[in-house]
Order: sequence, then C-alpha cells, then structure tokens
Amino acid sequence: GNSVTQMEGPVTLSEEAFLTINCTYTATGYPSLFWYVQYPGEGLQLLLKATKADDKGSNKGFEATYRKETTSFHLEKGSVQVSDSAVYFCALSVLGGFQKLVFGTGTRLLVSP
Amino acid sequence: DTGVSQNPRHKITKRGQNVTFRCDPISEHNRLYWYRQTLGQGPEFLTYFQNEAQLEKSRLLSDRFSAERPKGSFSTLEIQRTEQGDSAMYLCASSPSPAWGNYGYTFGSGTRLTVV
Repeated sequence: GNSVTQMEGPVTLSEEAFLTINCTYTATGYPSLFWYVQYPGEGLQLLLKATKADDKGSNKGFEATYRKETTSFHLEKGSVQVSDSAVYFCALSVLGGFQKLVFGTGTRLLVSP
Repeated sequence: DTGVSQNPRHKITKRGQNVTFRCDPISEHNRLYWYRQTLGQGPEFLTYFQNEAQLEKSRLLSDRFSAERPKGSFSTLEIQRTEQGDSAMYLCASSPSPAWGNYGYTFGSGTRLTVV
C-alpha cells in the first residue's frame, strides 16, 4: 500500500539554525509528493510539492527534492525563523484516481529566539 | 476567492447528539474531500466527491456518518449519535480536476469537534 514515514518530533532549534525533517515513502504507483504546514489552530497549507523524480519543490526558503532511488522527500531550510514553528506533514498521492492524500504523522518544529 | 470555508470552527456536543458541519469549497473546484485529524496524527481520508457524486468512502466512515454535496457546491458532513471517539478536527479540502499531474489540495481551517 501507500504510506509515509516522518521523523518524530518535536524538533527544537534556535533561530537561524539549519533544518532537516526526514520523510520516506512507499507507494504502489508513481506518486506526487507534498509538504504541508499546520500553524496552531489552523488548517493545512500546501508548502511545496514535486511531481516527478529529481524535481525540487521550494517555497519560503524551504526545499525538498524527490529522490526516487531512496524513496525520500526530506524537507530542508537553511535558516529557520521563530515564525516557522508549526507542524509539518509529508504526504503523497498517486497519479490517477481521485488523488487521495496519504499523510505522515507530522513533525512539530519549535524555533526559539 | 476566499478559499475553502468551514463552519462552525468549533463544536462541543454531548454524547449521543447529532452534529452537522458545512464546507464551502473554492467555487471553480469540482473535487471535494473530507479528512479527519486526531490529536498528534496526520489527517486521514474520509470521503471524496466529484461534483455532486460521492465516489469514494473510507472504512473510517461508519454508518453514523453521512456526507452530501447537493448541486456540486457546498458539502455537509453529519455525524449521528456522536461518541467520544468522534472528537477530532474535521478538515475539508477542494481541488480542480487535473488536466495533468497531481495537485495539492486547498484545505479549510477545519471544524474541531469535542464530544463530552
């Protein structure tokens, strides 16, 4: 089946530190990969996506590269800010069908000044 | 467009009562989805509509749950005879039918249900 595994949190960093949140997946088809962010009390916002192998998604200083050989889609940011504190979800959907999203359990990021 | 709108934002209900949530998707999106998110977990798929047709339902959607999307516009999710285990955030999302590739959805802010 289709599944997503994320590193457990919380991830605690100081402002301006480098961020990596690991995400690996298994998929029966050819997936598209996504990172969503959820701020406290809010719904999910699409952060970035990649639809084919070696694609790099990027947004707001965050990046993730679709690595088919390692079935990974790790999220990175060079210098985090306090405002990046949130829960980050890795997700996949398989091409075709109705695009059901399969989510990981989420990783909480806490950034301190 | 104001995005995906969900109402109410919060709902507290007594066990055994019925509750109904509403979702207004982005107007040009013909696909609508409901997900449920419990504390500390990622969202789990509940059901999917294309226009007014409900095309897929998860096994998570017991017979106490019913969803509708009349006329392919807004959608409602009703839970009958609520149980404490129904306490969760209920998320609605919409997307266009893709001509190619895969899209991420646009999610609403969710309805947080607490069953006491």
